Amino acid sequence: GNSVTQMEGPVTLSEEAFLTINCTYTATGYPSLFWYVQYPGEGLQLLLKATKADDKGSNKGFEATYRKETTSFHLEKGSVQVSDSAVYFCALTGGGNTGKLIFGQGTTLQVKP
Amino acid sequence: DGGITQSPKYLFRKEGQNVTLSCEQNLNHDAMYWYRQDPGQGLRLIYYSQIVNDFQKGDIAEGYSVSREKKESFPLTVTSAQKNPTAFYLCASSRQMTNSYEQYFGPGTRLTVT
Repeated sequence: GNSVTQMEGPVTLSEEAFLTINCTYTATGYPSLFWYVQYPGEGLQLLLKATKADDKGSNKGFEATYRKETTSFHLEKGSVQVSDSAVYFCALTGGGNTGKLIFGQGTTLQVKP
Repeated sequence: DGGITQSPKYLFRKEGQNVTLSCEQNLNHDAMYWYRQDPGQGLRLIYYSQIVNDFQKGDIAEGYSVSREKKESFPLTVTSAQKNPTAFYLCASSRQMTNSYEQYFGPGTRLTVT
């Protein structure tokens, strides 16, 4: 079945540093890919998504490109802020058109002033 | 504002008691979901419902039960048969249960069973 692997955290950066959180996937067919963010004590919020190869999702300065050739969907941001400190989850839709999501284990980002 | 509400935010129960977690949405979404989150892990699907009066088991349904009597509501009961019930529970919904529609999440309920 479909699966997703994220880089392990925690990731600790200084404010204004460049962020990359790696996400690779295994899938049959053409899944949709997502990044969700979870702030402390809260639910998940959709950060960005991409539904087909070469699509770039972007939101709040974050970007990720759906790379079918490398089966990757890495999350990037050019200049992180303290307020970006959170847990980031990569997810993809399961096999078939079921709408089910499969989540990575999450990567904790801590940004220091 | 449309959204998903979960109550309560924190819930404490004694071992052997059943407990019901509330989830309500006013997004007019057909599909609803329950996930469980444990520290350092991703989300795991407990149950999902595509339409009213219908629901299906997810990957870890043992020890849980649900109902979907109204479109807006999808309560989850954690029964005494669930061996390790302490966790963070998240409810979600989507317009339909297909790959075309993203899921929106509620704020979660943290359940502690002692």
